[in-house]
Amino acid sequence: QKEVEQDPGPLSVPEGAIVSLNCTYSNSAFQYFMWYRQYSRKGPELLMYTYSSGNKEDGRFTAQVDKSSKYISLFIRDSQPSDSATYLCAIRFSGGTSYGKLTFGQGTILTVHP
Amino acid sequence: DVKVTQSSRYLVKRTGEKVFLECVQDMDHENMFWYRQDPGLGLRLIYFSYDVKMKEKGDIPEGYSVSREKKERFSLILESASTNQTSMYLCASSRAGGGQPQHFGDGTRLSIL
Repeated sequence: QKEVEQDPGPLSVPEGAIVSLNCTYSNSAFQYFMWYRQYSRKGPELLMYTYSSGNKEDGRFTAQVDKSSKYISLFIRDSQPSDSATYLCAIRFSGGTSYGKLTFGQGTILTVHP
Repeated sequence: DVKVTQSSRYLVKRTGEKVFLECVQDMDHENMFWYRQDPGLGLRLIYFSYDVKMKEKGDIPEGYSVSREKKERFSLILESASTNQTSMYLCASSRAGGGQPQHFGDGTRLSIL
């Protein structure tokens, strides 16, 4: 079993739809949760970062963490064609060394059609 | 703004060559990382460094080495390139301290013929 599971999709939605992207993880020691967006031929770009259960909102994006279920989500409201990209979840342990490793999901490919 | 720069976007090398990939960050970050990204396998950590001249193996270090002589620069070295090292290579950096997010460069697409 992978430490972080993410449905690779692809996911195709019409413009304006609400998009839900999800990851599950197996290790309860994971404490920091990030979402990255990666456009084609570019590096991953940090989109959202949280370390607690609950919701964090930034514009059209909401990151949700449920530590009891070991489940994290990214919601995109009013999706736009410019949101078409690969979305990667990334998780790391708390404590330990200061250079703690990120564990990435496989990435979900999202296409938003005009 | 955070800036991680990888010296080449595309690189083509031959089997058996020694290959150098360079990465520079301008944020004074303590930590630097090298990943490779392959379809269906996601991002896999090759090596990381938490200080000048310090390095730690990641998940797939075989066939690679690294060098960090200055804080802002982290080099990945393919000692004797092989075709199975054809991949997208991504460099990242972060501050020291718990839970700091990593910031990525745009990658080097390396082809070994």
